Amino acid sequence: GENVEQHPSTLSVQEGDSAVIKCTYSDSASNYFPWYKQELGKRPQLIIDIRSNVGEKKDQRIAVTLNKTAKHFSLHITETQPEDSAVYFCAASTPLGAGGTSYGKLTFGQGTILTVHP
Amino acid sequence: DSGVTQTPKHLITATGQRVTLRCSPRSGDLSVYWYQQSLDQGLQFLIQYYNGEERAKGNILERFSAQQFPDLHSELNLSSLELGDSALYFCASSVGAGGSYEQYFGPGTRLTVT
Repeated sequence: GENVEQHPSTLSVQEGDSAVIKCTYSDSASNYFPWYKQELGKRPQLIIDIRSNVGEKKDQRIAVTLNKTAKHFSLHITETQPEDSAVYFCAASTPLGAGGTSYGKLTFGQGTILTVHP
Repeated sequence: DSGVTQTPKHLITATGQRVTLRCSPRSGDLSVYWYQQSLDQGLQFLIQYYNGEERAKGNILERFSAQQFPDLHSELNLSSLELGDSALYFCASSVGAGGSYEQYFGPGTRLTVT
């Protein structure tokens, strides 16, 4: 089955710096890669995602890049703010069904604790 | 607010007992997924239902079972509870087959087994 590795496990940056979190996946059939932000005791919140037919996607201060050949994808946060402090999870999903028209389980990385110091 | 609801928020019970966790997906979503989050195992997929039918199974114990009802809400039943079952249980929903891929998580149920 799919295996997702995430690095680093902790990341500490100063406010205004950039943060980069990297993930690798094992199943070449995976073609949907979401990123979730989870604050303490709360639900994982989808912040950005990318599909395998796209190499990069941006949403304001957040961007995700995907390298299908190398089977890795990364989250980039620019101009970090204290409210970005949280645990970030990457995930990979493999299509189900004939023609890969539906999506199933997410396999998550182990998470990165991001701390942004004011 | 994701639109996915879960009850109860907290559950404290003893070993050997049985509990039922409930999830209502976002309006229009046909797929429901259950995940377990613990400190040592991270976020682990348990089971997926699509429009009332089981679609995929993960590392779900035989003591655990789930179902999705005609109104699309889902229940996760945990029986013969052990201390190691203490965790956060999340459900997520998505449109399902042929639709969008995004999964939106509910607020979770924190289960404590004493």
